[in-house]
Amino acid sequence: AQSVAQPEDQVNVAEGNPLTVKCTYSVSGNPYLFWYVQYPNRGLQFLLKYITGDNLVKGSYGFEAEFNKSQTSFHLKKPSALVSDSALYFCAVRESGNTGKLIFGQGTTLQVKP
Amino acid sequence: DAGVTQSPTHLIKTRGQQVTLRCSPKSGHDTVSWYQQALGQGPQFIFQYYEEEERQRGNFPDRFSGHQFPNYSSELNVNALLLGDSALYLCASSLGRTNTGELFFGEGSRLTVL
Repeated sequence: AQSVAQPEDQVNVAEGNPLTVKCTYSVSGNPYLFWYVQYPNRGLQFLLKYITGDNLVKGSYGFEAEFNKSQTSFHLKKPSALVSDSALYFCAVRESGNTGKLIFGQGTTLQVKP
Repeated sequence: DAGVTQSPTHLIKTRGQQVTLRCSPKSGHDTVSWYQQALGQGPQFIFQYYEEEERQRGNFPDRFSGHQFPNYSSELNVNALLLGDSALYLCASSLGRTNTGELFFGEGSRLTVL
């Protein structure tokens, strides 16, 4: 069965510093991987996805993610963090089959301090 | 371009009552999925509707039921509410029978069961 794990409940980073939010996955076959962000009392907003192709995926708001097949990881990165990036981040994997069902990790809270 | 809209945004019910949540998908989308997000957790898949039929169901009891209308909008019904049903209920829309892209989420309906 497909699954994702986000090993960190919270990541703290200073504004202007690079940030990384970690995600590892377990799938049978080729993974379809996603990152979503959730601001307080809001729904989920799509950031980026990996389907195939380049291992470095660029997404919204300056975020990017690096797909690493050998380490089964899909870490979210940003070169320079903003205070406004503070939010809850979810990694997700698309379940095999044709419905597009997403399986989400537990989430990682990113706190960017001025 | 209207995104995914959900109603109501907040509601409070008591144990044993029934609730209906509503969702209008993003313009042009024909598939609606429902997720439950308990406090501090990642979203969990409830079910998906396409062509007015339930295509896939997650690990939720029969108290959870749904419907999709000809205009692609959808309802989620929960009967015999339990305290544990308190959560943010998210609707997500997508296009087509075989979806390889991202899901678009609404802001959610926050249900509190007392």
